[in-house]
Amino acid sequence: SAVISQKPSRDICQRGTSLTIQCQVDSQVTMMFWYRQQPGQSLTLIATANQGSEATYESGFVIDKFPISRPNLTFSTLTVSNMSPEDSSIYLCSVGRARGQPQHFGDGTRLSIL
Amino acid sequence: SQQGEEDPQALSIQEGENATMNCSYKTSINNLQWYRQNSGRGLVHLILIRSNEREKHSGRLRVTLDTSKKSSSLLITASRAADTASYFCATDGSNFGNEKLTFGTGTRLTIIP
Repeated sequence: SAVISQKPSRDICQRGTSLTIQCQVDSQVTMMFWYRQQPGQSLTLIATANQGSEATYESGFVIDKFPISRPNLTFSTLTVSNMSPEDSSIYLCSVGRARGQPQHFGDGTRLSIL
Repeated sequence: SQQGEEDPQALSIQEGENATMNCSYKTSINNLQWYRQNSGRGLVHLILIRSNEREKHSGRLRVTLDTSKKSSSLLITASRAADTASYFCATDGSNFGNEKLTFGTGTRLTIIP
């Protein structure tokens, strides 16, 4: 399985600021996804990161709030913009090589907004 | 939301006992996966079962799938303290190109030494 490095592992941020989370994979992968996990909850898909084109966002998530980049097949970033306490969550990236194969997850970024 | 339901929400058992978790989902699927999440960490993939399979084993894990009832179960036999974690089922859509995973609500499993 792919080795996924997600940075930072945690951060405490001030209201109104933005934070960029990086996801680096040790090999080329077809699919990369970003999820949010609010405290005590399950995972919700934010968007699919598309290489060389705009990300595909799920209902309830918008590009202005969660801009995503994917410049190549091994790297993606998620920015959480203009943060508020409601954005306090764990943010996880996952990768998949092909449809019907397991997705593998990074260790997540635990984000707290004061 | 298309999120599935898992039950129980929380389960505490003695070490050595078996643990069973159930997952129900709402739409047709291509496959169903089970993941484990240790506290505050990323998810670890446990097992994948395809829609045309009924049962699958991996070590101490046994997964069943009933597509007519849109449900799955995960059995962990001879539980260990290290099995303490949250367990999630996840499904992907049956439509071609729909690789997105929809996660269940999760079961928090505690193994009492």
